[in-house]
Amino acid sequence: QSALTQPASVSGSPGQSITISCTGTSSDVGGYNYVSWYQQHPGKAPKLMIYNVSNRPSGVSNRFSGSKSGNTASLTISGLQAEDEADYYCSSLTSSSTLEVFGGGTKLTVL
Amino acid sequence: QLQLQESGPGLVKPSETLSLTCTVSGGSISSSSLYWGWVRQPPGKGLEWIATMHYSGSTYYSPSLKSRVTLSVDTSKNQFSLKLSSVTAADTAVYYCASCRDYYGSGTYWGQGTLVTVSS
Repeated sequence: QSALTQPASVSGSPGQSITISCTGTSSDVGGYNYVSWYQQHPGKAPKLMIYNVSNRPSGVSNRFSGSKSGNTASLTISGLQAEDEADYYCSSLTSSSTLEVFGGGTKLTVL
Repeated sequence: QLQLQESGPGLVKPSETLSLTCTVSGGSISSSSLYWGWVRQPPGKGLEWIATMHYSGSTYYSPSLKSRVTLSVDTSKNQFSLKLSSVTAADTAVYYCASCRDYYGSGTYWGQGTLVTVSS
């Protein structure tokens, strides 16, 4: 069982916006501004999309944005495109480890 | 842009030691601002950080794997390595190496991953 809870799946149509939630506790998501989001296409390595809750690495589309409220972090993808179809994982620093813990992952389907 | 490439045996016998090496190109493993780490992903399952390290020798481990993990770095070859001892079938996974923004992870550049199967 993952430390962080994500919905198993979300879906949206091209052009729409979707939000993926990542729920933890005050010992991880709520206690640190060190939440990251990764995109993973089938058979590929993860790609960092958001770090430190809301920062985008160079080269990541501004259609991807991150936020946090209390113990829940969120990834929003606006203007959905077919290429956004992938698995998305959140992660957070936690008081119980020196390393990030991951959520269980969310499969995004673009209808 | 950094490029990372994992190498090592794809099949390891139960109770033996899994050994993988990550070769870094496009940058120096001795960069003071970077950490280097390993993540694994069992088939069809989620991601798990194994450990991270700084070239200076600082290391950080998953509590559940700490007793079985050894990390090392070879700055002359721009490589870092992972050893996982006493493996079982539960250690079967795709293993990724990554450059990390900080000691806790936040992997920025990743290798393509290598599948390691534990089986007799």
